[in-house]
Amino acid sequence: GDSVTQMEGPVTLSEEAFLTINCTYTATGYPSLFWYVQYPGEGLQLLLKATKADDKGSNKGFEATYRKETTSFHLEKGSVQVSDSAVYFCALSDRRTSGSRLTFGEGTQLTVNP
Amino acid sequence: GAVVSQHPSWVICKSGTSVKIECRSLDFQATTMFWYRQFPKQSLMLMATSNEGSKATYEQGVEKDKFLINHASLTLSTLTVTSAHPEDSSFYICSAWGGGGGSRETQYFGPGTRLLVL
Repeated sequence: GDSVTQMEGPVTLSEEAFLTINCTYTATGYPSLFWYVQYPGEGLQLLLKATKADDKGSNKGFEATYRKETTSFHLEKGSVQVSDSAVYFCALSDRRTSGSRLTFGEGTQLTVNP
Repeated sequence: GAVVSQHPSWVICKSGTSVKIECRSLDFQATTMFWYRQFPKQSLMLMATSNEGSKATYEQGVEKDKFLINHASLTLSTLTVTSAHPEDSSFYICSAWGGGGGSRETQYFGPGTRLLVL
């Protein structure tokens, strides 16, 4: 079945540092890929998405590129801020095999210190 | 972007009582809604998938008589935790999916409901 693997956390960075959170996936079909962010005590917010190979999703300075050859969708940001502290979830959905269901990674806790 | 609301955001109840949580899509019609449960510092666990006008599909290990789901309209789904016990205390999150292609092919999440059963 489909699966998503994220780099283990927690990740702690200083403000303005470069961020990478690795995400790889296994899917039998042609999934869409997502990054969601969860701030403390809140639900999930869609951060960015990509629906086909080589697409780049971007939002709020975050980027991720859908790499079919390496089955990856790594999240990057050039300069993190304290307000980026949250839990980040990589996810996929494959309408042809699982409809609209999302398969989540385990989440990566990011803490950014001033 | 699409907005999904949940009500209440916080609920404390006594053991043995039932609690109803509402999930609404505010600016789009949701053909499918999902209910998740999240334990502290863990990922989301899908409990059930509900399609408007039909019975919910429950994940393995989720008691359908314990967690009643109703998706009566394209903008509202409810989760009722019946005869709640302390082990049901958790963070419950819903999401809504509008179906179709393009930008609607995305799940949008509610802010969550924290349930504490005493």
